[in-house]
Amino acid sequence: AQSVTQLGSHVSVSEGALVLLRCNYSSSVPPYLFWYVQYPNQGLQLLLKYTTGATLVKGINGFEAEFKKSETSFHLTKPSAHMSDAAEYFCAVSPSGSARQLTFGSGTQLTVLP
Amino acid sequence: NAGVMQNPRHLVRRRGQEARLRCSPMKGHSHVYWYRQLPEEGLKFMVYLQKENIIDESGMPKERFSAEFPKEGPSILRIQQVVRGDSAAYFCASSPLNAGEFPDTQYFGPGTRLTVL
Repeated sequence: AQSVTQLGSHVSVSEGALVLLRCNYSSSVPPYLFWYVQYPNQGLQLLLKYTTGATLVKGINGFEAEFKKSETSFHLTKPSAHMSDAAEYFCAVSPSGSARQLTFGSGTQLTVLP
Repeated sequence: NAGVMQNPRHLVRRRGQEARLRCSPMKGHSHVYWYRQLPEEGLKFMVYLQKENIIDESGMPKERFSAEFPKEGPSILRIQQVVRGDSAAYFCASSPLNAGEFPDTQYFGPGTRLTVL
């Protein structure tokens, strides 16, 4: 069984400020972890993923996330927010090593203030 | 390289009608997943298919919903006798096999937004 918790359904930051979106997971087996972004009325776009290896993962648009097994976390960060980052962000987990479904968090709506 | 394609993008049905949603995976992808997104919620897994096989349908409602992925053509999600509670965005994703011969990252289509009147 697996689950994902995203703390904060809405996050607001000023343009140029640090973006931090929190994700905690539970999984009975080693997980694969993903961050997706969804713009209004569009599908989900993959930002980054962790499968194995380096725990600090860099993605598109300047985002990165760090897998911390001891904290069961996979928080998403970006040093400097841009207006175009305003969107909904979803953290997802799947069990590694076999055909699998993604379990999504409930999402975090990011607002970037001018 | 075309992405995952879904059609129609918007579908309006009256209660009791049938809805058919189509998904064409990315070229070279042989695994298809369907998810449903209710308003203000995250995506919920419905079904996972390979060509001509349903691998995992643990998220599918027991009645009125079915899915297929034939040898030729797109994957179809079919909802019979729709009710207002079926109104949602339905997303399809596809994935290739990774080096370990397991399904890898899922790539999502733009979704079909179903409205039931």
